Amino acid sequence: QVQLQESGPGLVKPSQTLALMCTVSGDSISSEPRDSWGWVRQPAGKGLEWIGHITPSGSVNYNPSLKNRVTISIDTSKNQFALILTSVTAADTAVYYCARDRYLGLSTRRGYYYGMDVWGQGTTVSVSS
Amino acid sequence: SSELTQDPAVSVALGQTVTITCQGDSLSRSYVTWYQQRPGQAPLLVIYGKNSRPSGIPDRFSGSDSGNTASLTITGTQAEDEAAYYCSFRDRGDNRVVLGGGTQLTIL
Repeated sequence: QVQLQESGPGLVKPSQTLALMCTVSGDSISSEPRDSWGWVRQPAGKGLEWIGHITPSGSVNYNPSLKNRVTISIDTSKNQFALILTSVTAADTAVYYCARDRYLGLSTRRGYYYGMDVWGQGTTVSVSS
Repeated sequence: SSELTQDPAVSVALGQTVTITCQGDSLSRSYVTWYQQRPGQAPLLVIYGKNSRPSGIPDRFSGSDSGNTASLTITGTQAEDEAAYYCSFRDRGDNRVVLGGGTQLTIL
């Protein structure tokens, strides 16, 4: 079965760049072109925040609130995708999850529908000097 | 607006039925996806599409919608259902994912 694993530093200094990697195992990241591979974060005690996602072909979508600071990339040869978040502040302290946003079907009335069906365990990133 | 609104907290007696709602202007045009998140764990997909459950999700979980409101119903709640529940949809305009603020379900 598909598994995702986040990796990266647990501590980043303010104003610096946060870089995380998600490694996919159990299937090719390119096996379904309609899937997306994304990032979601969660500050302690708060709700989930979608950061963005990327398709195997490299098409990206970002949360407008983070768009100026975020870049998501994909390396299909390594079965990995990455998150870059620049100019971090304490507000970026959170648990960061990677997830597969699976294409699940098409409705004639409601269009395509998806769901994040596989998640990594999450990695805690603290922004502090 | 593409925001999703959920009640912050809901409680239900063990074994009873509870409905968690999610409101948003775009919901009449898109299906809502529901996630369960237990403390210290990653979210888990529980409902997608019109009313589909991934393999392993008990049939006491069901989804429905009417107009701009989507609902997650748990029939015969169990103690392990105590968790936060999040609704979500994919915006058909810009393809971004929108997440609700979450509802904390407490089993009494």
